[in-house]
Amino acid sequence: QSALTQPASVSGSPGQSITISCTATSSDVGNYNYVSWYQQHPGKAPKLMIYDVTDRPSGVSNRFSGSKSGNTASLTISGLQAEDEADYYCASYTSSSPVVFGGGTKLTVL
Amino acid sequence: EVQLVESGGVVVQPGGSLRLSCTTSGFTFDDYAMHWVRQAPGKGPEWVSLMTWDGSSTYYADSVKGRFTISRDNSRNSLFLQMNSLSAEDTALYYCARDIGGLDSSNYLDYWGQGTLVTVSS
Repeated sequence: QSALTQPASVSGSPGQSITISCTATSSDVGNYNYVSWYQQHPGKAPKLMIYDVTDRPSGVSNRFSGSKSGNTASLTISGLQAEDEADYYCASYTSSSPVVFGGGTKLTVL
Repeated sequence: EVQLVESGGVVVQPGGSLRLSCTTSGFTFDDYAMHWVRQAPGKGPEWVSLMTWDGSSTYYADSVKGRFTISRDNSRNSLFLQMNSLSAEDTALYYCARDIGGLDSSNYLDYWGQGTLVTVSS
């Protein structure tokens, strides 16, 4: 069982906004601001979308944004597009591991 | 263009050993920490190991500690993963990935290869 809990699935219609949560089951996320988010399309490698809770790497659309409150981090995708349909994983630095991934959330664009 | 290409994945028997390689190009390899991440079929990614830019520090997931060894050859722009005492639980697609932080590893992975498949089966 991952130290980071995500909903198994979320869905939304094109143009809408959705939010994916990532809740730490311990103090791992709450005590650190080292949260990241990855997007993975089927058969492809994960792609870094958000790091340091809120920062976007160069080239990532500003429709993707991150936030954190207490022990829950969130990824928000605004103006949902068909190409956003993918699996999304949060990750965090923890005291016992440089990187721990969440269980993943499947985003369906209706 | 940054490229990472993994190789070495094959079918291996339980208890066997394997060495994975990751050949890189398009960036100054010895300016970056590097990671291995694996993904079992139908599962999410699992971080495996990290090596700092100069090889001075290494880190491992508990699930592989004592069995896997990460190494690098900066003169060949390459990263390696020696895997021993393999079991079915090690069956996965193994990715190498670059750390976005450069000399100061940040534990964020900004470039990934396409992976090499390791299957442990008799």
